[in-house]
Amino acid sequence: ETGVTQTPRHLVMGMTNKKSLKCEQHLGHNAMYWYKQSAKKPLELMFVYSLEERVENNSVPSRFSPECPNSSHLFLHLHTLQPEDSALYLCASSQDLGSRSYNEQFFGPGTRLTVL
Amino acid sequence: AQSVTQPDIHITVSEGASLELRCNYSYGATPYLFWYVQSPGQGLQLLLKYFSGDTLVQGIKGFEAEFKRSQSSFNLRKPSVHWSDAAEYFCAVDLSGYSTLTFGKGTMLLVSP
Repeated sequence: ETGVTQTPRHLVMGMTNKKSLKCEQHLGHNAMYWYKQSAKKPLELMFVYSLEERVENNSVPSRFSPECPNSSHLFLHLHTLQPEDSALYLCASSQDLGSRSYNEQFFGPGTRLTVL
Repeated sequence: AQSVTQPDIHITVSEGASLELRCNYSYGATPYLFWYVQSPGQGLQLLLKYFSGDTLVQGIKGFEAEFKRSQSSFNLRKPSVHWSDAAEYFCAVDLSGYSTLTFGKGTMLLVSP
């Protein structure tokens, strides 16, 4: 039990579809993250939210749109995706960002996305 | 730009044998250093971390890692591998202390009987 859940676990979508990935953390954390894990590539940090405000956007295409309505939930809205966007999308949370003590990230199991 | 190198894509170890997974980073200062493990269909689990102090750190599941500043390395070790250790292992660094991680490409560990 990691305390971070993601739904759905698997998603297949066409390039013209609109879908959303959901992440929920039950740890009382204030920071949340989206990562992309592609085959044979390192995990790529996509977005960072702290207290529901986006603090980092790593040059992610606009077809990925994050939303953080509260500190427990994080969404990734998808539209007009490309086949190369097929990957495992991981959500993580940490108590805070930086500050006086380091904040370990806790990961969810991921959503396996396939774009046809 | 900073980078993390895990030179071994796959490693096969016999059950009961010792294990060492290599990790090198490129950066002038000492970053925060981490090892994560990912089992099939699972998210990443933190094995251990190094921030400062004793360069040999102990983690969960019997793993340890040693930070060597002169070699910019943070290699992961386990004296006796179990079949349940078969998974993918990721080295990561945080240069800013701001909880943003840079990951290596991972090393897939296979355990043979």
